[in-house]
Amino acid sequence: GAVVSQHPSWVICKSGTSVKIECRSLDFQATTMFWYRQFPKQSLMLMATSNEGSKATYEQGVEKDKFLINHASLTLSTLTVTSAHPEDSSFYICSARDRPTSYEQYFGPGTRLTVT
Amino acid sequence: RKEVEQDPGPFNVPEGATVAFNCTYSNSASQSFFWYRQDCRKEPKLLMSVYSSGNEDGRFTAQLNRASQYISLLIRDSKLSDSATYLCVVNARDTGRRALTFGSGTRLQVQP
Repeated sequence: GAVVSQHPSWVICKSGTSVKIECRSLDFQATTMFWYRQFPKQSLMLMATSNEGSKATYEQGVEKDKFLINHASLTLSTLTVTSAHPEDSSFYICSARDRPTSYEQYFGPGTRLTVT
Repeated sequence: RKEVEQDPGPFNVPEGATVAFNCTYSNSASQSFFWYRQDCRKEPKLLMSVYSSGNEDGRFTAQLNRASQYISLLIRDSKLSDSATYLCVVNARDTGRRALTFGSGTRLQVQP
């Protein structure tokens, strides 16, 4: 099956620093990747859709200058949380689609970010 | 109104029990429906897609009622390993991106 990896799996950083999270499709090419955020006991909330070679599409209320997304290749998308604050602490999950006509997404294992 | 609504539970059931989860969605134009399972502090994993005619996969049965905009998941002969949060998922309004909208999940705890 399609495998998606994320790195790091967890990170603790100080307030004001930036954190980069990588999402890779290991055995398929993903023209589209999605970034989600999940707070405790809440559902996954879509943050942005990452398209290879073009600008990401951000959901309403998500600051594009704070959450920088780069999808430079068909197997890698990165999310950079800039000037992180404690309220950015969350579980960040990426997913990838292997067929443009499909809704099925394959999820990475997630990255737990704690900002102190 | 939320796009996808689920009873948060928790549902506490004994091993061997049959349990059913319900979900409603607000977008009548939705075309794709899924049930995902999420274990604590893990990523969601696809449990099954939901087809118009209803579908079964072992102990799991999914039903779709388009007229009522209602989706259900039935789990028969519950196992301890079924304990997890079950997420009802529907394709998002903007179908151009083929994004998904997740319900907040229903937590199931199967007791020995």
